[in-house]
Amino acid sequence: GAVVSQHPSWVICKSGTSVKIECRSLDFQATTMFWYRQFPKQSLMLMATSNEGSKATYEQGVEKDKFLINHASLTLSTLTVTSAHPEDSSFYICSARSSSTSGRAYEQYFGPGTRLTVT
Amino acid sequence: GENVEQHPSTLSVQEGDSAVIKCTYSDSASNYFPWYKQELGKRPQLIIDIRSNVGEKKDQRIAVTLNKTAKHFSLHITETQPEDSAVYFCAASIRSNDYKLSFGAGTTVTVRA
Repeated sequence: GAVVSQHPSWVICKSGTSVKIECRSLDFQATTMFWYRQFPKQSLMLMATSNEGSKATYEQGVEKDKFLINHASLTLSTLTVTSAHPEDSSFYICSARSSSTSGRAYEQYFGPGTRLTVT
Repeated sequence: GENVEQHPSTLSVQEGDSAVIKCTYSDSASNYFPWYKQELGKRPQLIIDIRSNVGEKKDQRIAVTLNKTAKHFSLHITETQPEDSAVYFCAASIRSNDYKLSFGAGTTVTVRA
């Protein structure tokens, strides 16, 4: 149980274009989803927190107009990188927290990540 | 916000020896402390976690200890094997903050055969 998928697993796009990444909880409903960015040989940096049906909360320094997050349902969140530039090239990972009132509500389940390369 | 420091950044051990990674956190309200193992290009995998009402937890060769007073927690891997080679991250989170994770910088563990 507790499987999170991401699509696509990797994407190459040209500078100036937009890219959408999907994060789905496959076998549970996710109250909260998180988006992280990870540069090579670095740690995971939280970009934003999204709750179903409400606006995402962005971490300091993350441009909300550049990284659009939509959490349309309890099983789907999307991250759109708008007007991508080479410096946006990174490994983007989502995670989801269960809406279950019992059990391990504090645990985050991670997606497999999306490798974005902007040329 | 929460600041998590992790040491060492790299660790090389002989197969069969133990490995210890230490983390400190800044926010005394933190109450959930997971440890993740990440292989290159893969998602972080939860290997063990501990909540603030517990001082120690063990799962086969892996154990975690928590000292709330000193605000530090440690990962112990015994009888290391080559497949333990990976990057390990500690993290801390607070229930009142949506359990947002603050990660340490990571430790690259290499187990020498």
